Amino acid sequence: AQSVTQPDIHITVSEGASLELRCNYSYGATPYLFWYVQSPGQGLQLLLKYFSGDTLVQGIKGFEAEFKRSQSSFNLRKPSVHWSDAAEYFCAVGGTRGSQGNLIFGKGTKLSVKP
Amino acid sequence: GAGVSQSPSNKVTEKGKDVELRCDPISGHTALYWYRQSLGQGLEFLIYFQGNSAPDKSGLPSDRFSAERTGGSVSTLTIQRTQQEDSAVYLCASSLAQGARTEAFFGQGTRLTVV
Repeated sequence: AQSVTQPDIHITVSEGASLELRCNYSYGATPYLFWYVQSPGQGLQLLLKYFSGDTLVQGIKGFEAEFKRSQSSFNLRKPSVHWSDAAEYFCAVGGTRGSQGNLIFGKGTKLSVKP
Repeated sequence: GAGVSQSPSNKVTEKGKDVELRCDPISGHTALYWYRQSLGQGLEFLIYFQGNSAPDKSGLPSDRFSAERTGGSVSTLTIQRTQQEDSAVYLCASSLAQGARTEAFFGQGTRLTVV
C-alpha cells in the first residue's frame, strides 16, 4: 500500500539556519512526489513536485528537494530559513496511472523559527 | 473563480445532525478531491471525482459520509448523523486533469465542530 512517513512531528530552527525536512515513501511504482506548505489558517500551497528527470528539484520560496530512489526519500531543504517559513509542511505521493488520482499525504512536520 | 472556494468556512453542529459542505472548484478543472484533516493526523483522503467517471470512494470512513458532484463542477460532501469524531477540517482540491501528475489546488477548508 502507498504510504508517506514524515518522521519529525515538530522542528525548531533559528532564523538563518539551514533546514531539512525528511520524507520517506512506500510505493510500488515510480511515484510522483510533492511538498505542500500550510500556513496557519490557510489552505495548502504547492512548494515543488517531482515527476521524472533531474532528481534535484527547485521550488518556490527558495526550497528544493532531492529524490533518492535507493532510500525512498524526498527530503525538503532550504539553505537559510526566514521567520515567514514557520508553517506546517506536508509530503505527498501520487499515483503514476490515470486511475490513481488521489494523493497520499504524510502527517506533516510543523516548523517553528526562532528569532 | 480564482481559486477553490469552500463554504461554510466554519460549521458548528450538534451531534446527530446532518451537515453539508460545499466546494466550488477552479473553473475548467475536471478532477476534484475531498480530504479530512484531523489534529495530528495529516490529510486523510476521502473521495475523488474525475469528469464523468465513477468516483473513487475508497477513503470514505463510513456510510454516513457521501459526496456528489453536479454538472462536473460544484461538489457537496454530506455527513449524516454527525459524531464528535467527525470534527475536523474538510479540505477540497481540484486539478486540471486526471491522475496525480497535475498539481492539486486546495481551498481553505471547512472547520467542522460537532458538539
